[in-house]
Amino acid sequence: AQSVTQLDSQVPVFEEAPVELRCNYSSSVSVYLFWYVQYPNQGLQLLLKYLSGSTLVKGINGFEAEFNKSQTSFHLRKPSVHISDTAEYFCAVSSPTNTGNQFYFGTGTSLTVIP
Amino acid sequence: KAGVTQTPRYLIKTRGQQVTLSCSPISGHRSVSWYQQTPGQGLQFLFEYFSETQRNKGNFPGRFSGRQFSNSRSEMNVSTLELGDSALYLCASSLWASETQYFGPGTRLLVL
Repeated sequence: AQSVTQLDSQVPVFEEAPVELRCNYSSSVSVYLFWYVQYPNQGLQLLLKYLSGSTLVKGINGFEAEFNKSQTSFHLRKPSVHISDTAEYFCAVSSPTNTGNQFYFGTGTSLTVIP
Repeated sequence: KAGVTQTPRYLIKTRGQQVTLSCSPISGHRSVSWYQQTPGQGLQFLFEYFSETQRNKGNFPGRFSGRQFSNSRSEMNVSTLELGDSALYLCASSLWASETQYFGPGTRLLVL
């Protein structure tokens, strides 16, 4: 089974500063990688995903992530954050099984943007 | 396309009662997964249904059960509620063998 580690449970950052949210996963076998965002009292919204191809993936709201196979990482970045980016961010990995894709989620990183 | 819908959005129950939550997937999606989200445990996988069959199951007691109907709508049932069952229950749908799950807004359950 996969495990997903989000190294930082809380990340405070000033408005307009850059941010990186870290994610590592356990297995180097073929996987799909995702970042989701959760705003208060809402479900999870897909930010971006890596399936194959270019290792740099661009998503919504100016976020991007880079897949690094050798380090089994998929860190999320944004060059300049806004107050509205304050939310919980989840990294997820999907591994193929003989009954479909099994999803594994990290424990989340709470991003707080300080004015 | 309409997104994943979950009903009810909020629910208050007392210990020992049972509860049924409903999830309607995105049109055309045949797989529905359920997750429990709590502040201490994060997202924990409950089970996944595809074509009315449970394909995968997480590590939860038998009090948690589910089913899927022929129109892909899914229900989740929790019997003999405990205080620790208070959580946000999220439903996600995906296409067959799809790589992406799309989430509903969740049902927030409070057990008193």
